[in-house]
Amino acid sequence: NAGVMQNPRHLVRRRGQEARLRCSPMKGHSHVYWYRQLPEEGLKFMVYLQKENIIDESGMPKERFSAEFPKEGPSILRIQQVVRGDSAAYFCASSPRAASSYNEQFFGPGTRLTVL
Amino acid sequence: GDSVTQMEGPVTLSEEAFLTINCTYTATGYPSLFWYVQYPGEGLQLLLKATKADDKGSNKGFEATYRKETTSFHLEKGSVQVSDSAVYFCALSESGGYQKVTFGIGTKLQVIP
Repeated sequence: NAGVMQNPRHLVRRRGQEARLRCSPMKGHSHVYWYRQLPEEGLKFMVYLQKENIIDESGMPKERFSAEFPKEGPSILRIQQVVRGDSAAYFCASSPRAASSYNEQFFGPGTRLTVL
Repeated sequence: GDSVTQMEGPVTLSEEAFLTINCTYTATGYPSLFWYVQYPGEGLQLLLKATKADDKGSNKGFEATYRKETTSFHLEKGSVQVSDSAVYFCALSESGGYQKVTFGIGTKLQVIP
C-alpha cells in the first residue's frame, strides 16, 4: 500500500506566480489535511477536506490560498500571487474514514516551496 | 483552544545518553497524544501514540506515558544513537469529531558520537 504522495517535492516560484501543490492520499483514505511548516517552526494546520467538501479551513490565510479535493484525482493546494513569506514546507496528511476511537494521520514527504 | 508545549531545542547529547523531551498539553476533552519524528529532508513519521490516560506508547526504544493528572506526555529513551538525530514533535488530536492535529513547535535532537 503506497503511502501519501506529494508532488512536486521541490517547487520554485517567483513573486506573483501561482503555486499548485498536489497530494494523493493513501488508498482508501477519504480525509485529507494540509499543514504548513515555516522555517524553524512547528506545523500549523491549514485545511481539512473530505471528498468534494471543505470541512475546516480555519487555518488558511484569507486571501490567495485555496484547496480542493475533487471526486477524482489528488487534493490541490493552490497559492496565487506568491510572496516570499509563502516559502515553507507544505505537508499533506490523510486518514481513513473516521470510525475508531483514536486518530492517526499519515503524512506525505512534503513540498518545499521557495519563492524568489 | 488546544495547545501543545514542548521544550525548545536544540538538545545535544552524546551517544548512549538518556533522553527526555518534555511535553505538556491543554485540551478541552480527552485527546489522543502522539510523538512524531522528522528526519532531515523528510516528512513526519508517527513514532508512538497513546489514546487514554496511563497508556504507554513505545517504539524503537522510545517511550511516553499519557499522564492526565499532569497533562503531560514526556518522551524518553534510555540510550540514544546518532541515528536518532531528528526533530521530534509532540501532538494531540481531540477524540470524536474530525481529526485535526495540534503540534508542538518541535525539538531538534542532535546526538554526537
